Amino acid sequence: NAGVMQNPRHLVRRRGQEARLRCSPMKGHSHVYWYRQLPEEGLKFMVYLQKENIIDESGMPKERFSAEFPKEGPSILRIQQVVRGDSAAYFCASSSYMPTNAEAFFGQGTRLTVV
Amino acid sequence: GIQVEQSPPDLILQEGANSTLRCNFSDSVNNLQWFHQNPWGQLINLFYIPSGTKQNGRLSATTVATERYSLLYISSSQTTDSGVYFCAVIYNNNDMRFGAGTRLTVKP
Repeated sequence: NAGVMQNPRHLVRRRGQEARLRCSPMKGHSHVYWYRQLPEEGLKFMVYLQKENIIDESGMPKERFSAEFPKEGPSILRIQQVVRGDSAAYFCASSSYMPTNAEAFFGQGTRLTVV
Repeated sequence: GIQVEQSPPDLILQEGANSTLRCNFSDSVNNLQWFHQNPWGQLINLFYIPSGTKQNGRLSATTVATERYSLLYISSSQTTDSGVYFCAVIYNNNDMRFGAGTRLTVKP
């Protein structure tokens, strides 16, 4: 009964490279949320996806960032041409589609360092 | 969008003391969760509580949805309770937003 799995746990990228962060939701969950957390700060909403659909991307920068949650496979958060300011912990959470049981669970996060 | 405010932002307690953390939200919500982020960064589920009161050991939570707030009570605090406590509201189409958190330090 695996929980939410994120990989890699740590990712180092040089400025200008691409970062791909993966999130496999809990079994039976069809909703995925991505959040960014800077050191000593809170969880900033980025994007909310259901299978094959982006429901709310109001927190995601319009340039360089994209997210997908395909019918098969994990959700992917992609950051193109990374800059030092992208260094942060990125957390994903998943929940069920059932409104009466929509408790969300988090993965352990991916810590991105841009050098 | 919905606003979620937590208070106090920081709290320092002596081991054994009790505390109350508050979460106010600006609009109707479908549900509410409390999380604890430990010093290693892990986010632990504490309560999933749309209304009423729930208890789990030394922790309990109460949500009054009609008045748009929730409270988290920690009794007989221990050093392992240190970390950041977040509330998150679930609204609209299962969208989820967080408050800024309460940073708790429990001193031995």
